Amino acid sequence: NAGVTQTPKFQVLKTGQSMTLQCAQDMNHNSMYWYRQDPGMGLRLIYYSASEGTTDKGEVPNGYNVSRLNKREFSLRLESAAPSQTSVYFCASSEGRGNIQYFGAGTRLSVL
Amino acid sequence: AQSVTQPDIHITVSEGASLELRCNYSYGATPYLFWYVQSPGQGLQLLLKYFSGDTLVQGIKGFEAEFKRSQSSFNLRKPSVHWSDAAEYFCAVGAMEYGNKLVFGAGTILRVKS
Repeated sequence: NAGVTQTPKFQVLKTGQSMTLQCAQDMNHNSMYWYRQDPGMGLRLIYYSASEGTTDKGEVPNGYNVSRLNKREFSLRLESAAPSQTSVYFCASSEGRGNIQYFGAGTRLSVL
Repeated sequence: AQSVTQPDIHITVSEGASLELRCNYSYGATPYLFWYVQSPGQGLQLLLKYFSGDTLVQGIKGFEAEFKRSQSSFNLRKPSVHWSDAAEYFCAVGAMEYGNKLVFGAGTILRVKS
């Protein structure tokens, strides 16, 4: 049982390039999330999807777009990367009472 | 607005000593409370959770946490720290009234000295 799988694990981009971070979960969860983690700031929610076919903005959505491709997959796209988007990105999924979230291993992104 | 405060950015304890990591929250609803641990280069792993009932909850790896509603706190404790406990710890809060979203604290980095 793989849980939440994120690809790629590492990525270096130049300013202005675009890329898509992929996330897939095999736990049949309805809800999925994208966070960014920066030193001293904890995890901040970028976008989330409460169920297949729906997406909503979180705390820091600017510069990002998402797609809930199906129940398993939730992708995050940077259309024109900026140095301020250098961060570690985590995908999570959840289900059930209390919304216990399960996390992927993260994608470490550097934008030069 | 909902917020979670972890007052200690870094804590250093000796191996075998007891540990308490603090977490305070501000939430206009009955909260669900979580502690997660993150080892270097890894994702977040759930240590324990509180939904309702007994305010003292037990988690994995010998950790426990106590929910004190009057103090809006959910502090994490361990009686005897092991070197392998060195990691970053995050407190998180959610509530049914706010949908499925969690708010995370900034984290506390635990260093264990031998």
